[in-house]
Amino acid sequence: QSVLTQPPSVSGDPGQRVTISCTGSSSNIGAGYDVHWYQQLPGTAPKLLIYGFNNRPSGVPDRFSASRSGTSASLAITGLQAEDDANYYCQSYDVSLSAWVFGGGTELTVL
Amino acid sequence: EVQLVESGGGLVQPGGSLRLSCAASGFSFSNYEMNWVRQGPGKGLEWVSYTSSGGNTIYYADSVKGRFTISRDNANKSLYLQMNSLRAEDTAVYYCARGIGDYDAFDFWGQGTLVTVSS
Repeated sequence: QSVLTQPPSVSGDPGQRVTISCTGSSSNIGAGYDVHWYQQLPGTAPKLLIYGFNNRPSGVPDRFSASRSGTSASLAITGLQAEDDANYYCQSYDVSLSAWVFGGGTELTVL
Repeated sequence: EVQLVESGGGLVQPGGSLRLSCAASGFSFSNYEMNWVRQGPGKGLEWVSYTSSGGNTIYYADSVKGRFTISRDNANKSLYLQMNSLRAEDTAVYYCARGIGDYDAFDFWGQGTLVTVSS
C-alpha cells in the first residue's frame, strides 16, 4: 500500500491526451510538499520527468506537464507517442513519516 | 556527463550482509545529497536512505532502520549502503540517486544493482 495513490494503468491512442492522477494526504501533497514525476521504461532506471512546479529537466519535451490541487496532483501527456509507453511514478515528501514517498506507479499503454 | 554506477549486489542468505557501492562521476559529488531507492521485483519504488552532502545528516525508511547504514566518501566520490540482517523482503534492485538541492526529488539515477535474499 503506497502512501501516494495512482491508478494502476491508463491507455490512449497516439496523438491523444492522457492524465495520471496522484492522490496524497495532508501530511505530504496537502502539506505543500512538491510533487515530482518519473518515467521508467522497461528494464531501465527511473528518469526524472518533472520536478517542483512544472519544471522539466533538459531534454524532456513540453508535451509533459503537471498540476496540483489540494491533496492531489496530476501528470498530463499531450500528443501521445509510442515512446511514451512506460511506467510513471509520482513522488513527494511525507512529514509524518519523515520519508520520501512514491506512488505505486501507473502503466501507460499507447494503443 | 553525470554517471552513477552501482555494484555489490548478489545472492545472500536471510540474515546475511551485503555492502553496496555507488561510484559517481561527472559532477561535484561532495556538493550533493545522495539517496538509495529500491524496487522489488514487479513492484514500485521505495526510498531507503538519505545522506546530506557532508554525510552529517542521515535518514532511513522505517523498513530498514537499525539494519542498513548509509555512508559516503567524498574524496573518492562514492556512496555506500551496508545492509545487515537481510530479509526476503529486501530483495530488490537498489538504485543510488542524486538529490536536487532545493527540491525533494532525485534527478539522476544509476542503473541499479540486484540484491536477492534467499536460502
